[in-house]
Amino acid sequence: TQLLEQSPQFLSIQEGENLTVYCNSSSVFSSLQWYRQEPGEGPVLLVTVVTGGEVKKLKRLTFQFGDARKDSSLHITAAQPGDTGLYLCAGAGAGGTSYGKLTFGQGTILTVHP
Amino acid sequence: DTAVSQTPKYLVTQMGNDKSIKCEQNLGHDTMYWYKQDSKKFLKIMFSYNNKELIINETVPNRFSPKSPDKAHLNLHINSLELGDSAVYFCASSQGVVGLYEQYFGPGTRLTVT
Repeated sequence: TQLLEQSPQFLSIQEGENLTVYCNSSSVFSSLQWYRQEPGEGPVLLVTVVTGGEVKKLKRLTFQFGDARKDSSLHITAAQPGDTGLYLCAGAGAGGTSYGKLTFGQGTILTVHP
Repeated sequence: DTAVSQTPKYLVTQMGNDKSIKCEQNLGHDTMYWYKQDSKKFLKIMFSYNNKELIINETVPNRFSPKSPDKAHLNLHINSLELGDSAVYFCASSQGVVGLYEQYFGPGTRLTVT
């Protein structure tokens, strides 16, 4: 069974601060996705990283996939109240019984105070 | 137009009852999923169907039975509901192999068993 450890579980910061969320595993993933979920809604895909060492930027959000494809990070620069939400990382199984499955991290609840 | 829709949005029922949740996607995707999100926001896959064929069946009690009448619909029937079944259930769909393709989630069905 693949596990994905996401940290921190809760993050409460002031507007303008930077933050980083981490996802770590002992398993190799074929790709790593980051989702954002608003209350009462389903998760929405932010980004997919596929290649080890890959870095993708989405405005103030920077996503990185570890060289060994076992870990990933999400960095937000100058957080804004609109960034508040639940952030989820999800790893796609690389093969065997894990193929075709997404393993989700426990999630990070981010609150950005004005 | 809603891409992935679920009904009902809320479901409150008593232990021992049988209930169904319906899901429809209008994206033309071949693959559909059911996920369970617990009170700690942990999201875990339950089932996956590809072109009406069951391809993923995680360790889920056999009281849960998915049914796909066509590739645009995936319903979830739950027999003999238990308190521990209380959670938010999400339906999702994707064009192809998860992790390479975006997965679109429905708005969720909050099931409360009393």
